[in-house]
Amino acid sequence: GEDVEQSLFLSVREGDSSVINCTYTDSSSTYLYWYKQEPGAGLQLLTYIFSNMDMKQDQRLTVLLNKKDKHLSLRIADTQTGDSAIYFCAERGYNQGGKLIFGQGTELSVKP
Amino acid sequence: KAGVTQTPRYLIKTRGQQVTLSCSPISGHRSVSWYQQTPGQGLQFLFEYFSETQRNKGNFPGRFSGRQFSNSRSEMNVSTLELGDSALYLCASSFGEGASNEQFFGPGTRLTVL
Repeated sequence: GEDVEQSLFLSVREGDSSVINCTYTDSSSTYLYWYKQEPGAGLQLLTYIFSNMDMKQDQRLTVLLNKKDKHLSLRIADTQTGDSAIYFCAERGYNQGGKLIFGQGTELSVKP
Repeated sequence: KAGVTQTPRYLIKTRGQQVTLSCSPISGHRSVSWYQQTPGQGLQFLFEYFSETQRNKGNFPGRFSGRQFSNSRSEMNVSTLELGDSALYLCASSFGEGASNEQFFGPGTRLTVL
């Protein structure tokens, strides 16, 4: 069945790069997403990548997709304390409409 | 442009009661999806509506139901509440229903069942 896995915690120093990893099982995934959730808030869409792409860059964010290994990563350059949040990887399968399958979320802690 | 709004933001109910949550999508968006977020199960898909029709349904019991109105606003209802229904319920809207349509989430309704 569909499954998305993420490591639960990541701690970095301010100014360093953060890399959050995600693996998924559904080979029919069409779009893969990264969402950010701050305490008490909903989910904020950060970026997404179509399954036929290898990389997408958006300001400080770089998404890498290895479709063969079903591995997705989100790199945040020059991480700031305001980046502290939970980051969710999500995938949308072929012909699944609006249904997103989410990972457990990675809690990013940025220390000054 | 206003974002997705959900009402109420917080709700406390007791076991056995029923509850109705409301979601107003971004203006012009016609697709609304609902998710349940709990510490144990994470984010799980409940259902998706497009043009007043349920398009997709997650693996939840029949106590969970929803509907969508002609103005795209959506409601979800949970009957005979159980303690395990305590969760953050998130609504997301998108312009269309296809995979290329980005979903934008509201702030959620925090439901506590006592």
